[in-house]
Amino acid sequence: SQTIHQWPATLVQPVGSPLSLECTVEGTSNPNLYWYRQAAGRGLQLLFYSVGIGQISSEVPQNLSASRPQDRQFILSSKKLLLSDSGFYLCAWSTAQGSGNTIYFGEGSWLTVV
Amino acid sequence: GESVGLHLPTLSVQEGDNSIINCAYSNSASDYFIWYKQESGKGPQFIIDIRSNMDKRQGQRVTVLLNKTVKHLSLQIAATQPGDSAVYFCAENTSTGANSKLTFGKGITLSVRP
Repeated sequence: SQTIHQWPATLVQPVGSPLSLECTVEGTSNPNLYWYRQAAGRGLQLLFYSVGIGQISSEVPQNLSASRPQDRQFILSSKKLLLSDSGFYLCAWSTAQGSGNTIYFGEGSWLTVV
Repeated sequence: GESVGLHLPTLSVQEGDNSIINCAYSNSASDYFIWYKQESGKGPQFIIDIRSNMDKRQGQRVTVLLNKTVKHLSLQIAATQPGDSAVYFCAENTSTGANSKLTFGKGITLSVRP
């Protein structure tokens, strides 16, 4: 069966510090990978998605970047965090082929920028 | 623009009653719909899905109804239990050629009274 892991689960970082959130998927190959952000009491905002190694699409302009160095690894980064980067970050995956594929989420990472 | 929205931000039901959570979508080209459940501090979990060529699908204690005429999606939970308390999201998939995009609603909180 497929599993998705992301870490760290919680993070408190000062403004201006760097960020690295990591996500790995097991039990599947060539998945589509996603990073979402969920602000408190709000819905899910798609930040980045990737259809393959080194292929990153950004949905919204922001202070963050994403990378996919391996097939099942997706990393969310920032060089200098802003207060507005605080939120709940979710990594997710789906199968690559066909339309209408369910997206499966990781457990999330709480980021508080202070 | 196209959007997915939920009619009510919160829903309170008595334990043992049936719950109905509604969702309106505006993209008539959407071909696949999913309901997710998100418990506090966790990532969204897949509950049930339905394709646009169907109008009803049943799972264990849950039923999803799709009315394409009025672009309405609902999730029915039978014999609601305290463990059903969570935020519920609907999501619609729109396919354009080989690409597909999943758009999430804002979420509704289901609170189960003992």
